[in-house]
Amino acid sequence: GESVGLHLPTLSVQEGDNSIINCAYSNSASDYFIWYKQESGKGPQFIIDIRSNMDKRQGQRVTVLLNKTVKHLSLQIAATQPGDSAVYFCAENYDRGSTLGRLYFGRGTQLTVWP
Amino acid sequence: EPEVTQTPSHQVTQMGQEVILRCVPISNHLYFYWYRQILGQKVEFLVSFYNNEISEKSEIFDDQFSVERPDGSNFTLKIRSTKLEDSAMYFCASSNLAGETQYFGPGTRLLVL
Repeated sequence: GESVGLHLPTLSVQEGDNSIINCAYSNSASDYFIWYKQESGKGPQFIIDIRSNMDKRQGQRVTVLLNKTVKHLSLQIAATQPGDSAVYFCAENYDRGSTLGRLYFGRGTQLTVWP
Repeated sequence: EPEVTQTPSHQVTQMGQEVILRCVPISNHLYFYWYRQILGQKVEFLVSFYNNEISEKSEIFDDQFSVERPDGSNFTLKIRSTKLEDSAMYFCASSNLAGETQYFGPGTRLLVL
């Protein structure tokens, strides 16, 4: 089916700890994955993306891991800060010929960072 | 840094009324999208638009919805006769290439009474 879901709806971490947010996808044809951050009342903000020909990609304090064998995606945030508190969505895209970039979003994980 | 902008930020309307939501995509982008997010739910695709025509629309995007690129900068979503269940956040997004990163606007919160 066309579903992208998240294992945990909420995640609470202490400031300075590392956070790991997980995502499962069901479409083995998916070839592009994006993590978005959404703060209250705002639009999704791009964090990092990864293509299916990679299994790891690093950004500033963030790492995305892709395991195609089990269709699993994760976002790791190093040294989590209070400003990281938000809802995190994974989204997938797969080429379906005439489809131009439609994204399928998961339900989101609420990350709360405690001081 | 270029960004997608949307107006209005909030709109309240009566059921049955027409609303037009406006978006200004990033200037060199060619692919435009509308998504919506009902409160507490995930972001859902509505429609994609390229080369002045709809590329794909979801099952949500029925005959009450239409999109238009009236000039070189604006991209609009019209709901002809709003229903209560149209209440949601509506996000516009744009990308430079198909299948590339989509950048989202801040959204318009639509409330249908």
